[in-house]
Amino acid sequence: EAGVAQSPRYKIIEKRQSVAFWCNPISGHATLYWYQQILGQGPKLLIQFQNNGVVDDSQLPKDRFSAERLKGVDSTLKIQPAKLEDSAVYLCASSLRGGAGIPNYGYTFGSGTRLTVV
Amino acid sequence: AQTVTQSQPEMSVQEAETVTLSCTYDTSESDYYLFWYKQPPSRQMILVIRQEAYKQQNATENRFSVNFQKAAKSFSLKISDSQLGDAAMYFCAYCGTGANNLFFGTGTRLTVIP
Repeated sequence: EAGVAQSPRYKIIEKRQSVAFWCNPISGHATLYWYQQILGQGPKLLIQFQNNGVVDDSQLPKDRFSAERLKGVDSTLKIQPAKLEDSAVYLCASSLRGGAGIPNYGYTFGSGTRLTVV
Repeated sequence: AQTVTQSQPEMSVQEAETVTLSCTYDTSESDYYLFWYKQPPSRQMILVIRQEAYKQQNATENRFSVNFQKAAKSFSLKISDSQLGDAAMYFCAYCGTGANNLFFGTGTRLTVIP
């Protein structure tokens, strides 16, 4: 079974530029999550999708971050304009449906995109 | 709000020895899940072990086991017969029953010494 695919693996941009990350979840997974992991910290949820609808975006800095999941499959996370404090690893995860703790839902993480803002 | 605390930023263990990583959490919920995730340099978060709070029996997965103390809100991970491949960042995480959000601690970097 293919895992959660993310690209690019690394990205370096200057502050005030824009950047986009892409995530393709495991086939059949209805729920998709974006996490931000700042160096020295654990991942923090930014946004959760159920199919193509947003379930939770309470921690997403909406003045500069946006995300979409057209057709309920792959997703794009965008930052515009980027700030130095946005330097982090952006992890995507997916599961069959909501409920991170349910063993059979196959909650799986991708390998992330490391963003450096200079 | 739920918080997860890992007080050991770094730990080291000799190959083939046993090491215990500590985690405490705070919650007002009575039912929830606790996890230990491993993050190698590849950055992918890999589930090591899961514990349901309603189960009194501690979870085990091969060389990995937990000591779950619900009243003390403590959830430690024991790695037996440590191997070089166990070297990684280890994160403790919490999730409420039926919830979607995983709350993570700040991680413990485990070094395995040959």
